[in-house]
Amino acid sequence: DIQMTQSPSSLSASVGDRVTITCRASQAISNYLAWFQQKPGKAPKSLIYAASSLQSGVPSKFSGSGSGTDFTLTISSLQPEDFATYYCQQYNSYPWTFGQGTKVEIK
Amino acid sequence: EVQLVESGGGLVQPGGSLRLSCAASGFTFSSYWMSWVRQAPGKGLEWVANIKQDESKKYYVDSVKGRFAISRDDAENSLYLQMNSLRAEDTAVYYCARLEFNSYQATYYIDSWGRGTLVTVSS
Repeated sequence: DIQMTQSPSSLSASVGDRVTITCRASQAISNYLAWFQQKPGKAPKSLIYAASSLQSGVPSKFSGSGSGTDFTLTISSLQPEDFATYYCQQYNSYPWTFGQGTKVEIK
Repeated sequence: EVQLVESGGGLVQPGGSLRLSCAASGFTFSSYWMSWVRQAPGKGLEWVANIKQDESKKYYVDSVKGRFAISRDDAENSLYLQMNSLRAEDTAVYYCARLEFNSYQATYYIDSWGRGTLVTVSS
């Protein structure tokens, strides 16, 4: 199975900050990577697929990059509604696997 | 607007069975692969199963193989998850998800989620 490791597990940031979350795959997955946002008590929301393609309706402050084993999710200017937990997920091969999540909290 | 509404969750004893349903609307259900993803209380997301449009392909995480069965009824626009021999570690919110096709990658990815239904396995 492909293991997905996110770093950091949590971070504190201020409104307006630029935030970067890293996701590393235990083996190469090309760009078969998605990112999701989840707020407490809510369903996940799809943000990015194919490592860097924005889902319809997702604001351009979110961006993704990477290929192979190393990927990043960047939020260009953190807003109050962005405080949430973010997950990466590989769909290169079965079983699909998720990272453990990165919780973005208010500083 | 894509809508996915799960139902069928509840409290069940270890070794028991439960059938989850997901009612889909706002899109042509029969044209899409579908998926189940779960989340144990306070934990991260775990993919459970995928099913192709014509049910010819089904994939499962190892921990549920032989116990869970994914199926669909395109006439009813519904996705199902039959869960047998339930264990305490199956306790989770179960989400139904739609898979979109990316022609460039020639594969599928999650693009929409339901709100989930809670399954609690406990005596």
